[in-house]
Amino acid sequence: GENVEQHPSTLSVQEGDSAVIKCTYSDSASNYFPWYKQELGKRPQLIIDIRSNVGEKKDQRIAVTLNKTAKHFSLHITETQPEDSAVYFCAASRGGYQKVTFGIGTKLQVIP
Amino acid sequence: DARVTQTPRHKVTEMGQEVTMRCQPILGHNTVFWYRQTMMQGLELLAYFRNRAPLDDSGMPKDRFSAEMPDATLATLKIQPSEPRDSAVYFCASGLDRTEQYFGPGTRLTVT
Repeated sequence: GENVEQHPSTLSVQEGDSAVIKCTYSDSASNYFPWYKQELGKRPQLIIDIRSNVGEKKDQRIAVTLNKTAKHFSLHITETQPEDSAVYFCAASRGGYQKVTFGIGTKLQVIP
Repeated sequence: DARVTQTPRHKVTEMGQEVTMRCQPILGHNTVFWYRQTMMQGLELLAYFRNRAPLDDSGMPKDRFSAEMPDATLATLKIQPSEPRDSAVYFCASGLDRTEQYFGPGTRLTVT
């Protein structure tokens, strides 16, 4: 089955700096890579996703890159703000109705 | 704004008791997932359904856990008998093929 590794497990950055979270996956058939943000005590919510026919996707201050050859994908948050503080999960799936395998999560703290 | 609902939101029970958690997926969604979240293991997939049929429950301890979808508007997760190690937050999520999963607010279970 799919195995998703995520690092770092915790990340502290100064407000305004960039944050990068990296993930690797094992199943070469995976083609859908969502990222979820979970604020303390809340439900995980999708913030961005990428499919394997695209190498990069951007939405305002967040971007995701995908390297299918290396089976790596990363989340980039620029100009971080205190409200970006949360746990971020990467995930991988074969798409369609296939299950999604989540990484362990990265706790991001943005220091004002 | 359609949302996944879960009941109860909190449950405290004694070891050995039966626990039933309920989930109402978003109307029209055809996939339903049950996850368990703990600090140590992150988000673990317990079971998932497509069009009410169970597709994968390999993540679920079969001797004590069971998941069902009596109809398209209700998914249940039962633990019998419950044990202290089952203490966790249980999330239900629903989605359509090839789209994001929408998470419910979760059930925080404490087994004493």
